Amino acid sequence: EAGVAQSPRYKIIEKRQSVAFWCNPISGHATLYWYQQILGQGPKLLIQFQNNGVVDDSQLPKDRFSAERLKGVDSTLKIQPAKLEDSAVYLCASSLDDRLAGALSTEQFFGPGTRLTVL
Amino acid sequence: SQQGEEDPQALSIQEGENATMNCSYKTSINNLQWYRQNSGRGLVHLILIRSNEREKHSGRLRVTLDTSKKSSSLLITASRAADTASYFCATDASYNTDKLIFGTGTRLQVFP
Repeated sequence: EAGVAQSPRYKIIEKRQSVAFWCNPISGHATLYWYQQILGQGPKLLIQFQNNGVVDDSQLPKDRFSAERLKGVDSTLKIQPAKLEDSAVYLCASSLDDRLAGALSTEQFFGPGTRLTVL
Repeated sequence: SQQGEEDPQALSIQEGENATMNCSYKTSINNLQWYRQNSGRGLVHLILIRSNEREKHSGRLRVTLDTSKKSSSLLITASRAADTASYFCATDASYNTDKLIFGTGTRLQVFP
């Protein structure tokens, strides 16, 4: 089974520039997550999609970050303009939504991440 | 905000020894999950324990959960050099979104 794919793996930009990350979840996974992981910390959820709808974006800095999942499969996360503090690894994860089957929570499968450096 | 705090922040042991990591959290939860992260394989799910469970085993892993103390522990028995990684607890406190809040992690180093 193919895992979660992300690109690019690394990105270096200058502050005030724009950047976009792409994620392809595991086939059949309805739920997609974007996390930000700053060095030395645990991942922090930025946004969660259920199919192509947003479930939770309470921690997404909406003045500069945006994300979409137009067809309920691939997703892009954009930062415009970037700040120095945005330097982090951006992780995409997906899970099989089986709440219809009564499961309270499901395992999340993570991609390799995109390491962003803002200079 | 990060719900979980792992203890210790870093742990160094010899191969064959057991490693114990602890996680404390702040709010009531549905379940608690442990993940491992290393440079080779990224972030990988290890085990999930539900709020009505007290102990769970998976291979060399043993997880306990004490909801009265809002704490969990992860025990890795007979550690191997390949267990070297950062370990995170993640809590699911939502009833409808599967939102996970990760802790700060424990960096485990296993020396051969």
